Amino acid sequence: TQLLEQSPQFLSIQEGENLTVYCNSSSVFSSLQWYRQEPGEGPVLLVTVVTGGEVKKLKRLTFQFGDARKDSSLHITAAQPGDTGLYLCAGHYNQGGKLIFGQGTELSVKP
Amino acid sequence: GAGVSQTPSNKVTEKGKYVELRCDPISGHTALYWYRQSLGQGPEFLIYFQGTGAADDSGLPNDRFFAVRPEGSVSTLKIQRTERGDSAVYLCASSLMAGVGNEQFFGPGTRLTVL
Repeated sequence: TQLLEQSPQFLSIQEGENLTVYCNSSSVFSSLQWYRQEPGEGPVLLVTVVTGGEVKKLKRLTFQFGDARKDSSLHITAAQPGDTGLYLCAGHYNQGGKLIFGQGTELSVKP
Repeated sequence: GAGVSQTPSNKVTEKGKYVELRCDPISGHTALYWYRQSLGQGPEFLIYFQGTGAADDSGLPNDRFFAVRPEGSVSTLKIQRTERGDSAVYLCASSLMAGVGNEQFFGPGTRLTVL
């Protein structure tokens, strides 16, 4: 069974702080994705990483895929209240369409 | 253009009843996915279709759950003899094709409550 362990589960920080969310697995993934989900809506894709060691940046967000393609991290610099939401990592473990999701990290950024 | 739509947005039913949840994918998307999300958890894969056929139904929890996509567009998830443990948000997604490199676009979900 392919599992993605995401940590921390909850994170409450002040505006301007930095944070990192981790996503770990014992399985090798073909690709790893990060999503953000707002209440009452479906997840929205932020980024896809495919190559081991790959780093992608999206404004204040930095995503990294581990060298062995078993783990990933999301780092947010100078968090803002608008970053509040549920962050999910998800992976394809083969070339099929099935996505395995982590449990999610509920982020709250207080002004 | 229009995104993925799901109806109803909310469904309340009684234990033992039959329910149908509908998903309208983005036009032209050949792959369609169903996930289930319980409170405080990430989405859990149920089944996906490539065209009209179920390419992977390994996530369906038991034979009370069934999904169809007869014309390769709209899909219906059917749950027989509902149980309280079936209460969750059922998410549908679609993508141009199935597999790595094809972004899945999610609908807002149907919140199912079994009393």
